[in-house]
Amino acid sequence: QVHLVQSGAEVKKPGSSVKVSCKASGGTFSTYTIAWVRQAPGQGLEWMGRIIPILGIENYAQKFQGRVTITADKSTSTAYMELSSLRSEDTAVYYCARESPPRPALDSWGQGTLVTVSS
Amino acid sequence: DIQMTQSPSSLSASVGDRVTITCQASQDISIYLSWYQQKPGKAPKLLIYDASNLETGVPSRFSGSGSGTDFTFTISSLQPEDIAAYYCQQYDTLPFTFGPGTKVDIK
Repeated sequence: QVHLVQSGAEVKKPGSSVKVSCKASGGTFSTYTIAWVRQAPGQGLEWMGRIIPILGIENYAQKFQGRVTITADKSTSTAYMELSSLRSEDTAVYYCARESPPRPALDSWGQGTLVTVSS
Repeated sequence: DIQMTQSPSSLSASVGDRVTITCQASQDISIYLSWYQQKPGKAPKLLIYDASNLETGVPSRFSGSGSGTDFTFTISSLQPEDIAAYYCQQYDTLPFTFGPGTKVDIK
């Protein structure tokens, strides 16, 4: 069973960047895909992007293209999501999740990281 | 992007009731749909994948059906612990979009 543990809550100023980590245990990290999903307060789930470490492939939602970078460090089994040019609308809980092979359904989730963007 | 719609947006039902949620995709997604349960303050949990397959460990009162553009999620006998928001997600075409969610509570 894969277990994902995310970094702690962040408070950021508008225009700055945030980098959230997601450390995996169990399974073989490099062989599975990690996605990032966010949820604004009181709102629904929004798929942001994913990384396939073994292939070195990243996919991003058009909405976040140019502002989000997802990376993975196979040596530490950790994925990262960096979001730049933050604005108040980016205040949300950010989740990492693993795609369940061989399909992209998300079967394991991190606990979530609250990112608050406020001046 | 593929747009996902869900109905209703919320519902109230009694313990033991049959609850049905529908999800519609803006284009054919075959069976590439999953359903998630999210309780307040918690991460979502996968319940159903490939439209109708129950994730390991999920109670059999949960089920899913459909293909193409129209999908249904059913709780055969609502339990108090099923109070949550439920989301569908398509994974046929990137980006893998979610529906807006359905909030289920007890009447």
